[in-house]
Parts: sequence; C-alpha cells; structure tokens
Amino acid sequence: DQQVKQNSPSLSVQEGRISILNCDYTNSMFDYFLWYKKYPAEGPTFLISISSIKDKNEDGRFTVFLNKSAKHLSLHIVPSQPGDSAVYFCAASNSGGYQKVTFGIGTKLQVIP
Amino acid sequence: DGGITQSPKYLFRKEGQNVTLSCEQNLNHDAMYWYRQDPGQGLRLIYYSQIVNDFQKGDIAEGYSVSREKKESFPLTVTSAQKNPTAFYLCASAPGVYQPQHFGDGTRLSIL
Repeated sequence: DQQVKQNSPSLSVQEGRISILNCDYTNSMFDYFLWYKKYPAEGPTFLISISSIKDKNEDGRFTVFLNKSAKHLSLHIVPSQPGDSAVYFCAASNSGGYQKVTFGIGTKLQVIP
Repeated sequence: DGGITQSPKYLFRKEGQNVTLSCEQNLNHDAMYWYRQDPGQGLRLIYYSQIVNDFQKGDIAEGYSVSREKKESFPLTVTSAQKNPTAFYLCASAPGVYQPQHFGDGTRLSIL
C-alpha cells in the first residue's frame, strides 16, 4: 500500500512557465515532507522540505505547499528552466525526524526550451 | 571534495553468492542509510544506522545484513537469502536524524 503517491508519472512544461508537481499521502502521522530531484545515473539530491506545522516553505525558485486537511503537497518551480528536467521524488516521515522516510515513485519533469 | 561514494557502479554476481556493496562518506555524518529502488516503485529503506556500532532494520531488511564499525563506512551485504536481489541500491547519509539525507550515485546489482 503506497502511503506516498505521485499520480503523474510525467509532466512537460515550457521554459519560463510554472511547473507544479503534486503528491498525496495517506498516513496522517507524517510530520515532515521532502522533495528530492534525481538526474539519470546520479543519486537523488535534496531540494526542499516542510514540517507539518507550516503550510508553505520557499527557497528561491522552489516553493512547497502543504495542505494537511487534504493530505496533499505540491512543489512549484517558477520559472522553470531546462536544467530542472529530472525525476522529482516526494517523501514523508513520521518518526519525528528523517530516520524512516517513505518515498513516492517519482514524477519525470521535462522543461522544453 | 566531500561526498558519498558507492562502489562499484555496476555489479554482477551469480545466483547463490553473497555480495557486499560499499558505501563510504567523508562528510562526518552520523546517520547512514541503505535503500533499494525497483522499477515503478519508490525508494524502500533496508537498514539505517544513527551511530557507530548501532543499526536498525528498515522496511525490507530480510536477506540483507549491514555493519557500522566506522563512522564513514556502512557496507551492505546482499545474502543468498534475498529472493530478488537484482535492483538499484542507494546509500545515503545525514548529519543526524533531523537533517535531510544526502545520497550517493548508487550501485546497480544484477544477479546472473
């Protein structure tokens, strides 16, 4: 049973526009959420995180929004750049830290120049 | 350059043989982790260690073993008891359990 779901396997966006990647979760005990980016043949790279006491966290072009009532989070990338083309993993933890993190299956983003 | 090194990048073994995957970090991180990734699935936690000489099972520990004798090293042994060992294995580390994990570039293991 997938506790962290990324229902869109892929997404294409024009350069300069907004990319919105979505993630749903089922475990209401999750209290930390993260996004990772992965290029081919490389390991995932941490992008941004948010704790359950917040509903928004921003870092440069990347913003994560958390809607606890809907058990939904999203990653916004504005403006999108070709270098953002990668697989994005949503992840969540309910251990009070990051000891045991549950990952989604990923969404492949393609930013078209 | 600080980072996490996984070697080798590709590994082939015959069925029934144990195989050990290497993971070394020079980031002075306390916590280290092993994940497995299969096609169409997210990363799944195999084992993790928060300090030297201590480690805990993750969600799919059966058929795997680890050791943490040194802070910088967290090798993973895939034993012959692991029913479906062919997968992509990722090692990660973090300064502590309250910081996000940094990943190595992975080892792709194929059982012939």
